[in-house]
Amino acid sequence: QSALTQSPSASGSPGQSVTISCTGTSSDVGGYNSVSWYQQHPGKAPKLMIYEVNKRPSGVPDRFSGSKSGNTASLTVSGLQAEDEADYYCSSNAGRYNFVFGTGTKVTVL
Amino acid sequence: QVQLVESGGGVVQPGRSLRLSCAASGFTFSRFAMHWVRQAPGKGLEWVALISFDRSIESYADSVKGRFTISRDNSKKTLYLQMNSLRSEDTAVYYCARGYYDSSDNWFDPWGQGTLVTVSS
Repeated sequence: QSALTQSPSASGSPGQSVTISCTGTSSDVGGYNSVSWYQQHPGKAPKLMIYEVNKRPSGVPDRFSGSKSGNTASLTVSGLQAEDEADYYCSSNAGRYNFVFGTGTKVTVL
Repeated sequence: QVQLVESGGGVVQPGRSLRLSCAASGFTFSRFAMHWVRQAPGKGLEWVALISFDRSIESYADSVKGRFTISRDNSKKTLYLQMNSLRSEDTAVYYCARGYYDSSDNWFDPWGQGTLVTVSS
């Protein structure tokens, strides 16, 4: 159950787009269409932003989108806003009843 | 509204035990799988354990297997995590999170506010 690999940081100016990658293996990301993404502000609990690779829960802005190709999933935040500055974590099944999170990416809005 | 409130954290010596609780409200607790997820200070998220809505399925991360036990009382709408043989590396904020109807779904939402467990002599 090794953590999925994410780049430590990403940044963009307001209004720009930023894309975060999440790389796993065929035993997790590549083997399931169940990648989810979480946003965590400092000192707060995580919040679900994307599930099943590219679906948004009710209330999540359509600026957030997800995709997957092979063993790598991606989260794109378009039209960056100041409130998007946070840590982002991906997650995947690593077995039917086992789960793994990514190492996390800190997104900075310049 | 849907709410999860954890309790039971604190400072405990290595090798000792601690039980965490997570009180649920605002939804039909007995219909959803539940998870525990932890976050060491300054570190990322780590999935810890899963229990199905009817307690028929339990699953654990390798790092806690054999030491931690997840359980639930649907009549009390409460989730538990019994932590035995605690180690310094178990120091973390422990979150409970609601899963989905199907225990295999990779879904953690919503989350509680977390409770801090510190393992130190």
